[in-house]
Amino acid sequence: AQSVAQPEDQVNVAEGNPLTVKCTYSVSGNPYLFWYVQYPNRGLQFLLKYITGDNLVKGSYGFEAEFNKSQTSFHLKKPSALVSDSALYFCAVRDNLGGYQKVTFGTGTKLQVIP
Amino acid sequence: EAQVTQNPRYLITVTGKKLTVTCSQNMNHEYMSWYRQDPGLGLRQIYYSMNVEVTDKGDVPEGYKVSRKEKRNFPLILESPSPNQTSLYFCASSLSSGRVYEQYFGPGTRLTVT
Repeated sequence: AQSVAQPEDQVNVAEGNPLTVKCTYSVSGNPYLFWYVQYPNRGLQFLLKYITGDNLVKGSYGFEAEFNKSQTSFHLKKPSALVSDSALYFCAVRDNLGGYQKVTFGTGTKLQVIP
Repeated sequence: EAQVTQNPRYLITVTGKKLTVTCSQNMNHEYMSWYRQDPGLGLRQIYYSMNVEVTDKGDVPEGYKVSRKEKRNFPLILESPSPNQTSLYFCASSLSSGRVYEQYFGPGTRLTVT
């Protein structure tokens, strides 16, 4: 069974500082990995995904994520946090074993950017 | 505008009264899915559909039904709602043919069962 762990319920960071939101995963086969963001009272929005290739993936709003196969991690990063980045962030994983498209989400990490 | 719509957005009902939450997408996506979001548990998949007339259970299907008679619609049916189904529900869709695509989410339906 596949799983995702987001070990931090909340991350606080000062505006202008770099931010990291952690994600580790477990799947059979190779993973497809995603980050989504949820603003208050909204649905989830796609940020970025890793399928194959470069371990550093760039996405929307200046976010990027680093895939590390040996550590089974896919941490979300941004060089300089904005107050508007404050939101709930979800990591998700899907395996690549065929047409079955079950996607497993983590429990979410609340990012608070402090002015 | 490309979007996933859900109705109603808010619903308060009583135990045992059948209800349906509708979901519709205008992007011609093959894949559609329902999730529930609960504090501390993240998003959990209820049911998904790979295409018309093709549906399968997710992680938490008990107490729910779905149907996929048309490509654009994927309603979620609670035949006999119970208080433990009080939650925030999201419908999502994506392309699925051959490549790996991200999902587009609806705005959510907040359901309270008393």
